[in-house]
Amino acid sequence: AQSVTQPDIHITVSEGASLELRCNYSYGATPYLFWYVQSPGQGLQLLLKYFSGDTLVQGIKGFEAEFKRSQSSFNLRKPSVHWSDAAEYFCAVAETGTYKYIFGTGTRLKVLA
Amino acid sequence: DTAVSQTPKYLVTQMGNDKSIKCEQNLGHDTMYWYKQDSKKFLKIMFSYNNKELIINETVPNRFSPKSPDKAHLNLHINSLELGDSAVYFCASSLTDSKDEAFFGQGTRLTVV
Repeated sequence: AQSVTQPDIHITVSEGASLELRCNYSYGATPYLFWYVQSPGQGLQLLLKYFSGDTLVQGIKGFEAEFKRSQSSFNLRKPSVHWSDAAEYFCAVAETGTYKYIFGTGTRLKVLA
Repeated sequence: DTAVSQTPKYLVTQMGNDKSIKCEQNLGHDTMYWYKQDSKKFLKIMFSYNNKELIINETVPNRFSPKSPDKAHLNLHINSLELGDSAVYFCASSLTDSKDEAFFGQGTRLTVV
């Protein structure tokens, strides 16, 4: 069965520091992979997605993610974090022809001034 | 001009009551979803509809009944509310199926007292 693991429940970084959020998936075929961000009291906003092609994907707000098939990973990165990046981040996996997204348990990011 | 809108945003009700949450998308998408987010932020699929047809019913109690009058609307009716139904319910839509990114509404925070 498909599954997504986000090993880090909470991460705290200082403003201006680099960030990496981990995501591992369990899936047989080539997955469709997504990163979403949820600010308090808000819905989920798509940061970026990977379907095929270049394994380094650029997203909004300066985020990028790298797909590594050998490690079944899709880690999210940002070179310099801003205080406004504090939020909950979700990794998700899906398959074409299905009608559901499997989400990880989320990583809460705290940014120190 | 909100892409996926849900009403109400907050819902407080007593055990045993019946309530509905409405969702509309103006993106012209074929597929709509209901997700439940629990107190630990875990997102779980409840239902998905494609062109008004039920595709996924993810072992949700019969007290939950979705209805899709047209492909732009997916409402959720809940009978005999229980304390455990307290959660945030998200509506989402995608262009065709889950190979496309999902667009989420702002969520409905349901509190059963």
